[in-house]
Amino acid sequence: GENVEQHPSTLSVQEGDSAVIKCTYSDSASNYFPWYKQELGKRPQLIIDIRSNVGEKKDQRIAVTLNKTAKHFSLHITETQPEDSAVYFCAASMIQGAQKLVFGQGTRLTINP
Amino acid sequence: GAVVSQHPSWVICKSGTSVKIECRSLDFQATTMFWYRQFPKQSLMLMATSNEGSKATYEQGVEKDKFLINHASLTLSTLTVTSAHPEDSSFYICSAAGTLANTGELFFGEGSRLTVL
Repeated sequence: GENVEQHPSTLSVQEGDSAVIKCTYSDSASNYFPWYKQELGKRPQLIIDIRSNVGEKKDQRIAVTLNKTAKHFSLHITETQPEDSAVYFCAASMIQGAQKLVFGQGTRLTINP
Repeated sequence: GAVVSQHPSWVICKSGTSVKIECRSLDFQATTMFWYRQFPKQSLMLMATSNEGSKATYEQGVEKDKFLINHASLTLSTLTVTSAHPEDSSFYICSAAGTLANTGELFFGEGSRLTVL
């Protein structure tokens, strides 16, 4: 089955700087890669996703890149703000078929003012 | 986006009792629902996949007799933790896939925090 590895487990950056979180996946059949932000005790919130027919996607300060050949994808947050502090999870699944999401281990991002 | 509601949001029970958690898709029909468990400071671990009208598919290591899943309609799936023990204390989250647009996106419930005394 699919296995998703996420790094780093914790990340601390100065406000205004950029943050990058990286994930690798094992199943070449996976074609959907969402990123979630989770605050303590809350449900995961989808912040951006990318499908395997696209190499990069951007939404304001957030961008995701996908390298299908290397089976890795990354989340980039620019101009970080204190409210970006949270735990971020990457995930992978197949759009067709089971659709079950397999999550990475999570990254605790702290933005220092 | 689509709305998934989960109930109860938190529950405390005594060891040995059973607890039922409901997951409803409010404005769409969910052919498939997924149940995840999340321990403190850990990731979401898939427990089982629930398909309407059929038996759930459990992930390796998840006891099907302990975590009973029923998906009786296109808008409701339930998870029953039977004979709960303190080690079952966790955050349980459901998610649902819609029938209309096969985009891959899943919609998550609010989660249910179970504490077993």
